[in-house]
This record gives sequence, C-alpha cells and structure tokens, in this order.
Amino acid sequence: NAGVTQTPKFQVLKTGQSMTLQCAQDMNHEYMSWYRQDPGMGLRLIHYSVGAGITDQGEVPNGYNVSRSTTEDFPLRLLSAAPSQTSVYFCASSYSWLAGGTHPDTQYFGPGTRLTVL
Amino acid sequence: DAKTTQPTSMDCAEGRAANLPCNHSTISGNEYVYWYRQIHSQGPQYIIHGLKNNETNEMASLIITEDRKSSTLILPHATLRDTAVYYCIVRGFNAGNNRKLIWGLGTSLAVNP
Repeated sequence: NAGVTQTPKFQVLKTGQSMTLQCAQDMNHEYMSWYRQDPGMGLRLIHYSVGAGITDQGEVPNGYNVSRSTTEDFPLRLLSAAPSQTSVYFCASSYSWLAGGTHPDTQYFGPGTRLTVL
Repeated sequence: DAKTTQPTSMDCAEGRAANLPCNHSTISGNEYVYWYRQIHSQGPQYIIHGLKNNETNEMASLIITEDRKSSTLILPHATLRDTAVYYCIVRGFNAGNNRKLIWGLGTSLAVNP
C-alpha cells in the first residue's frame, strides 16, 4: 500500500491564481480530510468527507473547495490564492467506524504540500 | 472535546526512556486519549490511543491515571529518530461525522546522543 499520497510536494502561486492539491489513498478509507498547518498553530481542519459524494466544512473552509467523486481521491481546490493561504497542507484518511477495524480516529496522513502564495 | 496541556519541550538521552506527560483534567467518560507525533516536515503519525486501561504497542506505551485526568506516553528506548513533536489529543468515540482532532502545539522532544 502506498498509503496517503499528495501532489505536488511544493508549489508557488501568485495572488489570484487557482490550483488543485491532489490527495489519494489506497486503503479503502471512507473518511478523508484536509488540514493546514501554520507556524505557531496546531493543525486546523479545512474540509472533510465521510464518503464518496459527501463533503462538509471544517473550521477554516473559506477560500477552498472540495469534492469526492471516488473513495480514493479527495482534491482540494484553491479558488483564488491569497498570501494568507501560504501554509503546509496535509491530507488524512481513516476508516469509518461502521466498517470496524482500527478505531475510526486513527488517521493516516500524507507527506504534505508546501504552498507559498506571493 | 476536552483540552489538553503538554510541556512545550523535553530532552531525553538516547537509549533512555522518554516519558511525555499530558494533562486532560476535563476529559469525559467516553473520550479517548490519542497520541500522534510529527517528525520535522512530515505528516503526523499515529502512535497509540487508549480509554481507561494502559496500552502498549510496538511503538510506545500509554499510561492513563485511574481518574483519567492525565496520561503519559512512554518511549522505552528513545532513539535519535524519535526526535519529533508529540501531540496528545482527546476525543470522544464516534463523536459525529466531523472527526476534528483539536491539535495543540504538542511537546517538542529532542533525543540527544
């Protein structure tokens, strides 16, 4: 298993540009989420999904869109990049508690995407 | 979800046990204690979790006090590769669809040769 993969690893954007951060997992996890991590702050939840076709907002959703057309993929879209979105972005996945197995909040994280917006 | 308090930083000698404390005095009966770590520039990594009983796996041991108001993560023989930020998180089981884990700033553990 590759686990959770994220692309790109690094990205530099200009203010106003749009882009999509890719996230994929091969563990058949139902739950996926996006976090951002900024210096001096803990990870903050942007958006999450409990299954294909179902997404919802976390605590800092403004400026970001998500969709979940397949179980494996959960892309994060920046609509119009702003310097405040300079951050490290992590994607995570975990089992649904309904599916049994490992405790549902054992989350598996990708390696991160380091985004700079100029 | 209960809040947690951890020391900002700790040091440990290589080969010795690293004991990382966490205070969660407002924990409620259905809330689990989770530990994750984040090695520099990498994604967080799950270590262990527990509810009431002490737990052990291949990475670490988790000791939870009887009143569940605090816990200690033990790395029995710390190596240089254990240098990381360690996060203690408390969350209820099946606390709804929003599996938001409240991440504090954790404890920065430095394992010294």
